[in-house]
Amino acid sequence: GENVEQHPSTLSVQEGDSAVIKCTYSDSASNYFPWYKQELGKRPQLIIDIRSNVGEKKDQRIAVTLNKTAKHFSLHITETQPEDSAVYFCAAEETGGFKTIFGAGTRLFVKA
Amino acid sequence: DVKVTQSSRYLVKRTGEKVFLECVQDMDHENMFWYRQDPGLGLRLIYFSYDVKMKEKGDIPEGYSVSREKKERFSLILESASTNQTSMYLCASSFLENTEAFFGQGTRLTVV
Repeated sequence: GENVEQHPSTLSVQEGDSAVIKCTYSDSASNYFPWYKQELGKRPQLIIDIRSNVGEKKDQRIAVTLNKTAKHFSLHITETQPEDSAVYFCAAEETGGFKTIFGAGTRLFVKA
Repeated sequence: DVKVTQSSRYLVKRTGEKVFLECVQDMDHENMFWYRQDPGLGLRLIYFSYDVKMKEKGDIPEGYSVSREKKERFSLILESASTNQTSMYLCASSFLENTEAFFGQGTRLTVV
């Protein structure tokens, strides 16, 4: 089955700097890659997703890149702000489309 | 707004008890999921359902069962609770494959 690895587990940046979180997946047939943000004490919420027919997607300060050949995808946050502090999860959806496998999460700290 | 509601925010149960965790979604979603969230392990899929009365095992189904008698409700059952089932449990739903998952607020279960 699908396996998703996520790095780093913890990331600390200064406000205004960029943050990058990287994930790799094992199933070459996976075709949907969402990213979720979980603030302390709250439920995970989708912040951006990318499908296998696209190499990059941007939404304001957030971008995701996908390299299907290498089976890795990354989240880029520019001009980080304290409210970006949270746990971020990458995920990959298995062939057949029902089973989403999550990475272990990255705890991002943005220092003011 | 999609609402996924879990019946309890906190639960404390004794070892050996039968435990029911309930989840209801109000957006007519086809797919529903139960995840377990533990520090450093991310979200691990316990069971999912893509239709009424249909269920599929996730990655860690041992010690759990599920029930989906109605489209909007998905129940997770711990047949005989054990201390290693102490965790945060998250329910989620999605409309189709390869689409956003909407999460409930989570149930923090402690088994003593």
